[in-house]
Amino acid sequence: QVQLVQSGAEVKKPGASVKVSCKASGYTFTSFAMHWVRQAPGQRPEWMGWINTGNGDTQYAQKFQGRVSITRDASATTGYMELTGLTFEDTAVYHCARDSSGNGWMYYLDYWGQGALVTVSS
Amino acid sequence: EIVMTQSPATLSVSPGERATLSCRASQSVSDKLAWIQQKPGQAPTLLIYGASTRAAGVPARFSGSGSGTEFTLTISSLQSEDFAVYYCQQYNNWYTFGQGTKLEIK
Repeated sequence: QVQLVQSGAEVKKPGASVKVSCKASGYTFTSFAMHWVRQAPGQRPEWMGWINTGNGDTQYAQKFQGRVSITRDASATTGYMELTGLTFEDTAVYHCARDSSGNGWMYYLDYWGQGALVTVSS
Repeated sequence: EIVMTQSPATLSVSPGERATLSCRASQSVSDKLAWIQQKPGQAPTLLIYGASTRAAGVPARFSGSGSGTEFTLTISSLQSEDFAVYYCQQYNNWYTFGQGTKLEIK
């Protein structure tokens, strides 16, 4: 069965960076794009960006341009999201999710990771 | 950006009763609308896509309707495991989410 298992909770200081991983199993990793969505406390979910897991192409939400980097290691069937220049407002649960359409275009997200809590605290 | 607005914010319903959740888009998203269930500490789960198609394994008591800007998720007879937070999400133009409806036991 399809599973997306994420790395654990992190506590970071303002200005630091965080890298969250998402290990995929149960399907051909390079056939489906991976998206990253975050949810801050009391806020609605917010899309951050996605990666074509086949060729590594990425696209990011304008809000996170210049601060986010989404990568993948196809041999490890793992995707990564790195966010730099952390502020208190980056405290959130970060989810990975699989794009149901494959690597073609943004479509509905059919499987989600359990989320990784990132807390930014001084 | 397409803004998704859900109502109500909280819905109190007794087990066995029907629940109706609403979602409105600030502009047409055609049928590119998904409903997602989230329980504390668990991965979000896709329930409905294409506004009305149940995802694999989703019980028939869940149904979605609507198109354009107005959408509804109906749970026909609430089970204990259905009490959770529900989000609508449009995927017609990038991705945006509603603020969620918390379905609680009355």
